[in-house]
Parts: sequence; C-alpha cells; structure tokens
Amino acid sequence: AQSVTQLDSQVPVFEEAPVELRCNYSSSVSVYLFWYVQYPNQGLQLLLKYLSGSTLVKGINGFEAEFNKSQTSFHLRKPSVHISDTAEYFCAVIGGDYKLSFGAGTTVTVRA
Amino acid sequence: GAVVSQHPSRVICKSGTSVKIECRSLDFQATTMFWYRQFPKQSLMLMATSNEGSKATYEQGVEKDKFLINHASLTLSTLTVTSAHPEDSSFYICSAIPGDGRSSTDTQYFGPGTRLTVL
Repeated sequence: AQSVTQLDSQVPVFEEAPVELRCNYSSSVSVYLFWYVQYPNQGLQLLLKYLSGSTLVKGINGFEAEFNKSQTSFHLRKPSVHISDTAEYFCAVIGGDYKLSFGAGTTVTVRA
Repeated sequence: GAVVSQHPSRVICKSGTSVKIECRSLDFQATTMFWYRQFPKQSLMLMATSNEGSKATYEQGVEKDKFLINHASLTLSTLTVTSAHPEDSSFYICSAIPGDGRSSTDTQYFGPGTRLTVL
C-alpha cells in the first residue's frame, strides 16, 4: 500500500513571495506522484504529475515539483505567488492500481 | 481539456429520502470513474470505483447498499445515497479516466463536486 504525508497543514505567505509545500510518500512499489489544487467549493485540478524521467516537473500556473527518490519526497514550489493561488493543495500517489491516495492537504493563504 | 460535470452542485434533502448525483464526462468516454467523499477541511476519501457495464468496487467500510453506483454508459455514472441521514452530509466528488483506463498513470479528471446536506 502507498500513502502520502503533507507536512504542513497551513501555509500563510505574502504575495510575490516564494512558497514550498512539502510532501513525503511511502510505497513498496514504484509510484506515480501528483499535485492537485482545489479552490473553494470546487473539484480538483491537476497541477502536475511525475511518472518517470526528469525529476523536476513543471506544471500549470508556474508551479514545479521535484521528485526525490532517496528522500521519498515530492515537494511543490512556486517562486512568486499571487492572491489567486489561495487554495487547498493535495499531494497524491498511485501505486500498483488506479487508486489515488491523497494527503491531508495544505491550505495556502496568500496575503497582500 | 477533459471536462467532467456533476449534477446537482448542491442538494438539501430531508432525512430518510434518497438523493441521486450524476457524474458526466462531457468530451470523452470513460470506462472507469471514481467516487470520493470529502468532509470539511479534510482530504478526499475514495468510496468506490465505477466500471461501465459491471458492478462497482467499493472501498472497505463503504456500505454498498447505501451508496448505490450505476455506470450505465461510457459518459455517465450515478451515485444514489439511499435513506440519507445527517451523517451523510458531505462533499461528493467524482473523477473519470479517459478511454479504457488500462494504465494506472492515466490522469483522473475531477468533477466540481456536489454538496449534500441532509436535514
């Protein structure tokens, strides 16, 4: 079985500042990793995913994440956030089947 | 991009009634769809995997007689909450995988969710 731990439940950040959201995973098999964003009362939107290849993955809205197998991490970063980035962010993993296992989520609040 | 819709977006019902939620893939066919439940300030919990033309596969602890799933076509899956009670109040989200969903790396596209409130 696979699982995901998001180390920060809430991350307040000022507009135009960088942000990093931490995600660690555990799995006994090869994994595929995802970051999703959820705006209030909406479904999830895929930000980016790591399947194989380059460990640095670039996604939408200026986000990127780095897969680190030795540290079993997949941290999400953005060099400069906007007010519109205020949302809930979920790290997720797929192991041996289709099923996504989600982390508990990180609430990002961007302040002017 | 692939779009998944849900209907209704919000529903309020009385305790003991049944509620049907629809999940549609608008611009693609999906053999496999998923139903999730999300409590306030919490993550998504997979309830069941819906497969077109066959019975849904439920996760451990999910009552299949209470949460009826029907995947009658390649673009529609429905979740019926039978004899709803206040503890069933939650945000229900569906997702769909384009095509036959044979690869575990296929991206899931999520619907906007349905807010169910049982009085």
